[in-house]
Amino acid sequence: KQEVTQIPAALSVPEGENLVLNCSFTDSAIYNLQWFRQDPGKGLTSLLLIQSSQREQTSGRLNASLDKSSGRSTLYIAASQPGDSATYLCAVAGSNYQLIWGAGTKLIIKP
Amino acid sequence: GAGVSQSPSNKVTEKGKDVELRCDPISGHTALYWYRQSLGQGLEFLIYFQGNSAPDKSGLPSDRFSAERTGGSVSTLTIQRTQQEDSAVYLCASSLRQAPYEQYFGPGTRLTVT
Repeated sequence: KQEVTQIPAALSVPEGENLVLNCSFTDSAIYNLQWFRQDPGKGLTSLLLIQSSQREQTSGRLNASLDKSSGRSTLYIAASQPGDSATYLCAVAGSNYQLIWGAGTKLIIKP
Repeated sequence: GAGVSQSPSNKVTEKGKDVELRCDPISGHTALYWYRQSLGQGLEFLIYFQGNSAPDKSGLPSDRFSAERTGGSVSTLTIQRTQQEDSAVYLCASSLRQAPYEQYFGPGTRLTVT
């Protein structure tokens, strides 16, 4: 049974710092991995999707990596801004269609 | 273009009442999913529709929960005889084809059962 873990559960850093959020999964047989952002009281915004054949994806200040063999993904945020404050969720898609979710990392960027 | 929309955005209901939650997927998306996010817990898969195929209801927590999708577009999630433990944010997502294609989420419906 696939399990997804995100570390840390919460993170608070000063504005401008680069930071890394971690996601690990127990079953390496995945089709893709998605990183989402969730703002309080709002839905989920897809940030990056990495197919199983890919090693990384980049969008602006965000870079996500995937190491299937070790069951790990990282989300790198460069030059963090207060607007980056949100909960970040990773989810993996396996051979069926269900997304298996991590519990999220709550990120606070202090001005 | 328009994203996934859900209504209502908030719903407060008394225990024992029935509620209906609506989802309008992105036009042209054939796959539609319902998830639930309870306070302090992760997202939980509820049900999945793909085209005209029979839906996968394996994630529905009890027979009080049901969902339908009319005309391959709009979906309604119905909870009968609501209980306090049904209080959660109900999220709908759609994708262009069946998973594991990228899923796009609506803003959710926050359900509170008093």
